Amino acid sequence: DIVMTQTPLSSPVTLGQPASISCRSSQSLVHSDGNTYLSWLHQRPGQPPRLLIYKISNRFSGVPDRFSGSGAGTDFTLKISRVEAEDVGVYYCMQATHFPQRTFGQGTKVEIK
Amino acid sequence: EVQLVESGGGLVQPGGSLRLSCAVSGLTVSSNYMSWVRQAPGEGLEWVSIIYSDGSTYHADSVKGRFTISRDNSKNTLYLQMNSLRSEDAAIYYCAKVDLGIRAFDFWGQGTMVTVSS
Repeated sequence: DIVMTQTPLSSPVTLGQPASISCRSSQSLVHSDGNTYLSWLHQRPGQPPRLLIYKISNRFSGVPDRFSGSGAGTDFTLKISRVEAEDVGVYYCMQATHFPQRTFGQGTKVEIK
Repeated sequence: EVQLVESGGGLVQPGGSLRLSCAVSGLTVSSNYMSWVRQAPGEGLEWVSIIYSDGSTYHADSVKGRFTISRDNSKNTLYLQMNSLRSEDAAIYYCAKVDLGIRAFDFWGQGTMVTVSS
C-alpha cells in the first residue's frame, strides 16, 4: 500500500509570511500515462475539504495564486507565498496514481502565531 | 451549480447497519466517478469506496466485505450501505465527485455523522 507522509504536522505562521508543506510518497506517483496524480486539499474547521492543487502544480478553479505546488516522483511541496487569515486549517496531500485506492497524507495544521 | 447532500447518518449500535445517501444535483452520477471519504473525530481523511461510471466498485481494505457503494441513476443518488459497524467506523462521511481527467476530488458534500456506540 502507498503511504503518504507529510511534514511538518503543525505549522505556526505569521500573517504575510510564507509557509511550506512537504509530502512524500512511499512509491513513485508517476502513472504509466505520464501524469502524476498528486493533489492538495485544504480543510477549514467545520468544513469539508476543498481542492487546491491537482497534478502536482495546477491550481483548481478559484484558488488564489499565492498557492503553488511543485515536486516530482515521490517528493512534493505545497507553498503559500504570503499566509492570510483564511488559510488556516489542515492541508492534505492525496495520491490517485495507484488506483482505485486513494491515499491521503496525515494532514498539516496551519495556524497563525 | 453542483451540489452533493449527504443524509442517513446517526447513532447505531456496534454490529448494526446504516445506509448513507448522497443526493446530487448539477451533474449526472452515472456519468461520473463518485466516492465516499470519511473522517474520524479529530483525525485525517480516509478514502472508503468508489464507483466508476461503468458501475465497477472498489472499497478500502478496512471496510471490504462490510460496506457497499451503489447508485440509483433514476434518483441521481449515491449510497453507502454499511453493515457490521464497529466503533472505528464512527466518522463524518463525505461523498465526493472525482474529476476523471485530473483524478482529484473536485466537489464535496457537507458530510453526515455516523456514531457507533452501545
